[in-house]
Amino acid sequence: AQKITQTQPGMFVQEKEAVTLDCTYDTSDPSYGLFWYKQPSSGEMIFLIYQGSYDQQNATEGRYSLNFQKARKSANLVISASQLGDSAMYFCAMREGRGSSYKLIFGSGTRLLVRP
Amino acid sequence: GAGVSQSPSNKVTEKGKDVELRCDPISGHTALYWYRQSLGQGLEFLIYFQGNSAPDKSGLPSDRFSAERTGGSVSTLTIQRTQQEDSAVYLCASSLAPMQETQYFGPGTRLLVL
Repeated sequence: AQKITQTQPGMFVQEKEAVTLDCTYDTSDPSYGLFWYKQPSSGEMIFLIYQGSYDQQNATEGRYSLNFQKARKSANLVISASQLGDSAMYFCAMREGRGSSYKLIFGSGTRLLVRP
Repeated sequence: GAGVSQSPSNKVTEKGKDVELRCDPISGHTALYWYRQSLGQGLEFLIYFQGNSAPDKSGLPSDRFSAERTGGSVSTLTIQRTQQEDSAVYLCASSLAPMQETQYFGPGTRLLVL
């Protein structure tokens, strides 16, 4: 069973507008972490934001925020005030708890294109 | 400070040849991971090193793949008798410790097997 699901293969957003990238996950481990990475055309994976399963508040990092809905097992990324440089692939990933070597399990990604 | 570095950035090889990919983690990071990114399979875990512990090799796709980490720092991923399906981007990541959440990735090595 797929553990991380990103249902939007591609998204468009107008420059300066906000956009939400969807991510749902599946785990029975009470301790887990959720991540978002950005991969521009250069190929490097850039860490954006992290949410721990026990965190009470949604994570925020500058223009990035994570809409964490634990009961629904969703961890959507919200990018506010989109910029042209935000055009890239975005990956949601999950790290399960101890005993799993803390490896990341990735979704299939969402390609975001910001229109001027 | 310096991030994760990988070499070579690109590698073209012929089917059946062996290749070695190198990863230099961020200084002081004890945990090191290798991932593979291919068109058909997405991003998948290969192997994990933590200090002097036995590595977690559960993601290696076949016995043609092996990796080592010398002195708790630099790691090499070796693919023997390369096949065309080995063509992918090989990404290395490191974290300060396994319980430290964030893994920082290198730029990757793009491997093309002809």
